[in-house]
Parts: sequence; structure tokens; C-alpha cells
Amino acid sequence: DVKVTQSSRYLVKRTGEKVFLECVQDMDHENMFWYRQDPGLGLRLIYFSYDVKMKEKGDIPEGYSVSREKKERFSLILESASTNQTSMYLCASSTLSTIYFGEGSWLTVV
Amino acid sequence: KNEVEQSPQNLTAQEGEFITINCSYSVGISALHWLQQHPGGGIVSLFMLSSGKKKHGRLIATINIQEKHSSLHITASHPRDSAVYICAQERDDKIIFGKGTRLHILP
Repeated sequence: DVKVTQSSRYLVKRTGEKVFLECVQDMDHENMFWYRQDPGLGLRLIYFSYDVKMKEKGDIPEGYSVSREKKERFSLILESASTNQTSMYLCASSTLSTIYFGEGSWLTVV
Repeated sequence: KNEVEQSPQNLTAQEGEFITINCSYSVGISALHWLQQHPGGGIVSLFMLSSGKKKHGRLIATINIQEKHSSLHITASHPRDSAVYICAQERDDKIIFGKGTRLHILP
């Protein structure tokens, strides 16, 4: 079975802290994505990557950066966390035929 | 304006009813996805379509490329079908999601 694993399920961070959200997939997928999901707004694309060291901005990249040094790992970085970044973050990877999601990371910034 | 529009936003139906969820999208997509999200957050891919129709059990997905419209149908609905159903368009390696349809099937 394809597995997309997000390193942390629940995190609480302070305003101004640097936050790393890690995502690993085990199926050699080229495309990987980071989304955030908020009530009433649905899933919004932050960044995506279609190959190692390649990244593209999604719809809401402000306040975030990403890193893809290895094909299986796609990291989301909040350089200086703010309270409006409190959300659920979902990582996904895709093949030509389907998309697979991690279980999500609930981030609270206080 | 969201590039992917779903309707209805919320739907409550009785067990056994035939369910239709609609999705309209913008130009030039390479594929259209339907996904299911249960309470607790887990998201599962149901279908990926680029043309025609696909069926899996009681779920049927159709797409009309000319009208830029897709539908997800559930036959003989059951309370365990209660979930959020999300439509997503794929274009240029990018996948953009609709806001989802919250379905509640009453026993």
C-alpha cells in the first residue's frame, strides 16, 4: 500500500517560532503537495513540487517555504509562525492516476 | 472566485436515496479527481477522470469535458457514506480543490 507519512499529528508552537512539517512518501512519486485546510475554505494549495529541488508556489505561499532535497521527502517550513497559520496541514503525493494524502498535521500557534 | 465550484455545499438525505454531487471547473484540465474525507481528516481518493464515466461499487463518477462539469453519484446511499466529498481539478501538475460537499445520510 502507498503510504504518505506526516511526521507530527499535533503540534503547538509559539508565535515567532520556526516550524518544520515533514512528509515522506514511499512510492517514488514525483509530484508532492502541501495544503492547508480551514473551515469554510476547503483545501488550499501552499506549494507543490514535481521533482527533487523543484518547487512551485500554490495559491497561498506567503509565510511558508518548502524543501525537496530527496524525492521521497517534502518539507514545509514556517519561518516565523503566526497565529493565522493555525490550521490543519495536509501533505499529498500523486501518480498519473491518483492522489494520496497523509493523515494531516494539526498545528496550533499561540 | 474558486476555480472549482461544488454544489450543494451540504446535503442531508435518507438511507437508500440516490445522491448526486456536482462539480464545475475551469478550462483546460488534464484530470478531475473525486475524494472522500471522513471526520478526523483522512482523505481517500475515489476516482480520477479525464473523460467518460467510472464506477466503483455504488459510486459512479461522470465527466462532460465540453460543459466542464463532473458529477459524483451514490446509489442506495447508506449512513456510512456520510462524509465530505471533494472535487479537484488537475492542470499543469497542480491540483486545486473545491470546498467540498458535506453529505449526511440518515438511517
